[in-house]
Amino acid sequence: EAGVAQSPRYKIIEKRQSVAFWCNPISGHATLYWYQQILGQGPKLLIQFQNNGVVDDSQLPKDRFSAERLKGVDSTLKIQPAKLEDSAVYLCASSSTVYEQYFGPGTRLTVT
Amino acid sequence: AQSVAQPEDQVNVAEGNPLTVKCTYSVSGNPYLFWYVQYPNRGLQFLLKYITGDNLVKGSYGFEAEFNKSQTSFHLKKPSALVSDSALYFCAVRDIRGNNRLAFGKGNQVVVIP
Repeated sequence: EAGVAQSPRYKIIEKRQSVAFWCNPISGHATLYWYQQILGQGPKLLIQFQNNGVVDDSQLPKDRFSAERLKGVDSTLKIQPAKLEDSAVYLCASSSTVYEQYFGPGTRLTVT
Repeated sequence: AQSVAQPEDQVNVAEGNPLTVKCTYSVSGNPYLFWYVQYPNRGLQFLLKYITGDNLVKGSYGFEAEFNKSQTSFHLKKPSALVSDSALYFCAVRDIRGNNRLAFGKGNQVVVIP
């Protein structure tokens, strides 16, 4: 089966600009996650969707980050405006159970 | 809240020698425990999990891990390391009675020396 797809793979922007990331989960997976992985750290959950509803967004900086999953399949994560400390790899994952999650290749964001 | 500690930054091991990557965890209830591996410019790949049952769990690529409740540990092991095992390894815990969020450790870089 096809894995989790993400685009773009790399993005370089200047601070205060906006950026959006796209994720297509594994077909049939109801749960979708966005993680932020800062260099030297483990992934940190930003937001979790169950179908098109938000389950957990307690760690999402809502003043600048937003995410949506309108039709319960694809999802987009947006940062507006970006700060230097947003430089990280943004990982999307999906799952069909409470057990293992399947991760995409990530989008590496550099904010200059 | 749940948390994971991976005390070593880097683990160096000679090819053919046993490999151990340490992990300890903290949760309020019963844990779901996971190991993931990350190769350069790739996403995380699932290796194995402990949910319940036997304390020794076997996973992909010859890896196994032992759940020790009294020591709150879930160390990853491989009897004979390969150069291709060089990667970043993450331990993660899920507290199913808490926020159900997956919490990752900081990761361990494993370097297998030919």
